Amino acid sequence: GENVEQHPSTLSVQEGDSAVIKCTYSDSASNYFPWYKQELGKRPQLIIDIRSNVGEKKDQRIAVTLNKTAKHFSLHITETQPEDSAVYFCAAADTGNQFYFGTGTSLTVIP
Amino acid sequence: SAVISQKPSRDICQRGTSLTIQCQVDSQVTMMFWYRQQPGQSLTLIATANQGSEATYESGFVIDKFPISRPNLTFSTLTVSNMSPEDSSIYLCSVARTGLTDTQYFGPGTRLTVL
Repeated sequence: GENVEQHPSTLSVQEGDSAVIKCTYSDSASNYFPWYKQELGKRPQLIIDIRSNVGEKKDQRIAVTLNKTAKHFSLHITETQPEDSAVYFCAAADTGNQFYFGTGTSLTVIP
Repeated sequence: SAVISQKPSRDICQRGTSLTIQCQVDSQVTMMFWYRQQPGQSLTLIATANQGSEATYESGFVIDKFPISRPNLTFSTLTVSNMSPEDSSIYLCSVARTGLTDTQYFGPGTRLTVL
């Protein structure tokens, strides 16, 4: 089955700096890659996603890039703010719609 | 996105008892899933709740321990049976509108503590 690895497990950045979280996957059949943000005590919330026919997608300060050949995808957050502090999870899914989640990255934005 | 609710939001239970968690969606969805998230950990899929048929369980999860119902396209239940302290966790349902590769939206979760 699919194996998703996520790095780093923790990340601290100064407010205003950029943050990058990377994930790799093993199954070339995976074709959908969502990113979720989970604040303490809250549900995971979708922040951005990308499908395998697209190399990059942006939504304001958030962007995701996908390299199908290398089987890795990354989340980029620019101009970080304290409210970006949370745990971020990547996932990979195939046509069966089964999501395989990464282990999570705890992001802390220092004011 | 769909509005998803779960009941109860939290519970404290005694060892050996069972708890049924409900997941309600405000619109019809094709797929409903149940996940477990242990403190500080990632999300682990327990099973896919199939409407009108038996749930599909992931490796390590069995129907006797986690029976699931899906009577219609907006509702599902997960029962945690014969609980032990190791079952203490957050249980989340998620939904996807279609049966193809589709975004999953999560319910607010049920925080279960077993004493």
